[in-house]
Amino acid sequence: DAGITQSPRYKITETGRQVTLMCHQTWSHSYMFWYRQDLGHGLRLIYYSAAADITDKGEVPDGYVVSRSKTENFPLTLESATRSQTSVYFCASWDRDGNTIYFGEGSWLTVV
Amino acid sequence: EDQVTQSPEALRLQEGESSSLNCSYTVSGLRGLFWYRQDPGKGPEFLFTLYSAGEEKEKERLKATLTKKESFLHITAPKPEDSATYLCALQGYGQNFVFGPGTRLSVLP
Repeated sequence: DAGITQSPRYKITETGRQVTLMCHQTWSHSYMFWYRQDLGHGLRLIYYSAAADITDKGEVPDGYVVSRSKTENFPLTLESATRSQTSVYFCASWDRDGNTIYFGEGSWLTVV
Repeated sequence: EDQVTQSPEALRLQEGESSSLNCSYTVSGLRGLFWYRQDPGKGPEFLFTLYSAGEEKEKERLKATLTKKESFLHITAPKPEDSATYLCALQGYGQNFVFGPGTRLSVLP
């Protein structure tokens, strides 16, 4: 099926561990995004990518790393997880022709 | 700085009781105003894009309108299945999209 898939959907990890959240899209959209969603803050942009090998920081990038070696994949890595990174993470891609952002189903991360 | 606020934070309606959700924004140059629906445990689902003041779009019981400072999502005769969080987002110059905190709508049977 076409769309955006995220994995894992649910993850519990310990403080200090490295965690990678995967994101795969089937449309070949150039732009991809990572957001985190927390109560009281709405969706906040962590990183975005305009194309393969082009990434840039968003509003809340500290503690996160991204890469984009292929157009369809945009993994997000927490290098040393902290409790403040407990959140729901959404990957998204932008259909520029239709000017619409499509979201994945989310990855629920708990850092203990 | 581009900003989006939404009100009310939460809204409870009886089935059939029409109402409106508000999205207020400040932006240096508006390229698009978006409405999304988000169900619990799911990602946001696209509803509408509005581009200029005076524009309106409809989908079933939902109608979105846009002014120079606000957008409204009107819900006519809502049903329990309309219960969700509704997110507003704006697109200014560039590729960034700024999202509001959402309005949590509950429609009681």
